[in-house]
Amino acid sequence: QLQLQESGPGLVKPSETLSLTCTVSGGSISSSSYYWGWIRQPPGKGLEWIGSIYYSGSTYYNPSLKSRVTISVDTSKNQFSLKLSSVTAADTAVYYCARVAPRLCDYWGQGTLVTVSS
Amino acid sequence: SYVLTQPPSVSVAPGQTARITCGGNNIGSKSVHWYQQKPGQAPVLVVYDDSDRPSGIPERFSGSNSGNTATLTISRVEAGDEADYYCQVWDSSSDHSLVFGTGTKVTVL
Repeated sequence: QLQLQESGPGLVKPSETLSLTCTVSGGSISSSSYYWGWIRQPPGKGLEWIGSIYYSGSTYYNPSLKSRVTISVDTSKNQFSLKLSSVTAADTAVYYCARVAPRLCDYWGQGTLVTVSS
Repeated sequence: SYVLTQPPSVSVAPGQTARITCGGNNIGSKSVHWYQQKPGQAPVLVVYDDSDRPSGIPERFSGSNSGNTATLTISRVEAGDEADYYCQVWDSSSDHSLVFGTGTKVTVL
């Protein structure tokens, strides 16, 4: 059974960079059939796609976040990562990683809450 | 960018049918996927490609899509169906974006 697990700091200061890693187990991140993505959900609000990456490193980003987002992949560790720069309180959210298959998300991590506060 | 609009809430009595709409410009030309999200949990895919169900999802969940509206239908609603539901499409015209609807809270009376 495929499992995804987010990890990273739960508290980030304003103007700094948010960094999260998703570890994939029970399957290979190098599968040619899938992308791997990040989705976030501010408290009490809806879902927002952040971006997706293919094992080769090809990426797609949400146009509204593109200038601040970098998604990378480490196939040797079966992980992919998210960096979001210049964060503000509006970036406070639960961040999910997911398998993108490739036009829907069929497996999700449990999510991790990241709070932006000084 | 492509916008998907859902009603904020739907209320339904147990045993009745809940219908959740998802509106978008010519959404009938796209494949629509639906997720169920219970409090404190990650979303779960309940319908994909307009009307198919992943393994393990009850037949009570069904979907349709035509024109400018897609619909998720939950038949014989149970208390355990109370959750937030989100529609989602892939927008090839906007950096291959995954676009989520605004979400609908289903309350079982």
